[in-house]
Amino acid sequence: DVKVTQSSRYLVKRTGEKVFLECVQDMDHENMFWYRQDPGLGLRLIYFSYDVKMKEKGDIPEGYSVSREKKERFSLILESASTNQTSMYLCAGGWGGQETQYFGPGTRLLVL
Amino acid sequence: AQRVTQPEKLLSVFKGAPVELKCNYSYSGSPELFWYVQYSRQRLQLLLRHISRESIKGFTADLNKGETSFHLKKPFAQEEDSAMYYCALGANTGNQFYFGTGTSLTVIP
Repeated sequence: DVKVTQSSRYLVKRTGEKVFLECVQDMDHENMFWYRQDPGLGLRLIYFSYDVKMKEKGDIPEGYSVSREKKERFSLILESASTNQTSMYLCAGGWGGQETQYFGPGTRLLVL
Repeated sequence: AQRVTQPEKLLSVFKGAPVELKCNYSYSGSPELFWYVQYSRQRLQLLLRHISRESIKGFTADLNKGETSFHLKKPFAQEEDSAMYYCALGANTGNQFYFGTGTSLTVIP
């Protein structure tokens, strides 16, 4: 069974904190993605990675960074959390740009 | 530029009625089109994709390159179809993937 897991389902952080969201996949996916999901805005791509140590900016990278030191793990980092980063964060894995993506359960982040 | 447009944020139909969720795209290359679905309290998952030409849970979608559309259709809606539906486009270069803003479908008993 395909497994994409995210380290937390719910997180509450304070403004200015550094936040780490972890994603692990066990399908040997080349590509991994981080999205945020907001009502009325759909899914917006933050960053993606097509190989270890490689990353590409998506549509809304500002305020975020990522790390991919191992193929199975893709981390999203909020360097200094702000209230406008309160959202649902979805991680996904896939084998190529035109292949199916497999999603994790999501992390709902609240920044106070 | 908006790559994928879903014009309806909310759509309500009665059980047994036909349903159509609209999706239009803008892309100059050769896209692959997908429909993803998110049921309440479940993770986002693939419903169907253009290249497989399958009917999943009674849903079908036809790629119309002339109208740049990939509308999702089902002849008889069921209550369990109530969910959020996202149309998505996979680019043939650069590993980019674009989602629409989603349509929340409610099937009224």
